[in-house]
Amino acid sequence: DQQVKQNSPSLSVQEGRISILNCDYTNSMFDYFLWYKKYPAEGPTFLISISSIKDKNEDGRFTVFLNKSAKHLSLHIVPSQPGDSAVYFCAASGNSGGSNYKLTFGKGTLLTVNP
Amino acid sequence: GAGVSQTPSNKVTEKGKYVELRCDPISGHTALYWYRQSLGQGPEFLIYFQGTGAADDSGLPNDRFFAVRPEGSVSTLKIQRTERGDSAVYLCASGGSYNEQFFGPGTRLTVL
Repeated sequence: DQQVKQNSPSLSVQEGRISILNCDYTNSMFDYFLWYKKYPAEGPTFLISISSIKDKNEDGRFTVFLNKSAKHLSLHIVPSQPGDSAVYFCAASGNSGGSNYKLTFGKGTLLTVNP
Repeated sequence: GAGVSQTPSNKVTEKGKYVELRCDPISGHTALYWYRQSLGQGPEFLIYFQGTGAADDSGLPNDRFFAVRPEGSVSTLKIQRTERGDSAVYLCASGGSYNEQFFGPGTRLTVL
């Protein structure tokens, strides 16, 4: 049973336009959400995060929105650049006890930004 | 500063053999996590260390998998009697501040 779902395996956008990547979760105990970016043959790289007490967090071209009632979050990239082409993973963590912040990941969305 | 490093980057072994995968975390990070990423999937949690102790090993699939971190820094993931289904990329991450985990490049394990 997947607790974090990314229903779009791939997304293609034009350079300069907005990219919107979506993520849904089922576990109401999750209280922190993260987006990671992954290039081939590299490990995931932390991009941006949001606590469940917020509904928006912005960092440069990247903004994450959280809708707790819908158990949905999205990552907006604007403007999109060809270098943003990568696999994007949505991840969540909850209160696993103490300092254990083990992450539950979605399957990822392959973003392709066309020049 | 150096990030998380993992060795080897690739490991090919035969079914039934024993393998060890090594992780060097970011200096000073007390939290260390192992994940496994199978083809077409996101990383899946295996085990979490806080210091030297395995505080949560609930993600280890069975007793063929074991991990240690004897001095609270380097960690080794050990897999006995490997099976073809163990083929995956094994990722290590270390944690500093709240919730942010920094991943290594992974070890791609192929069991023939």
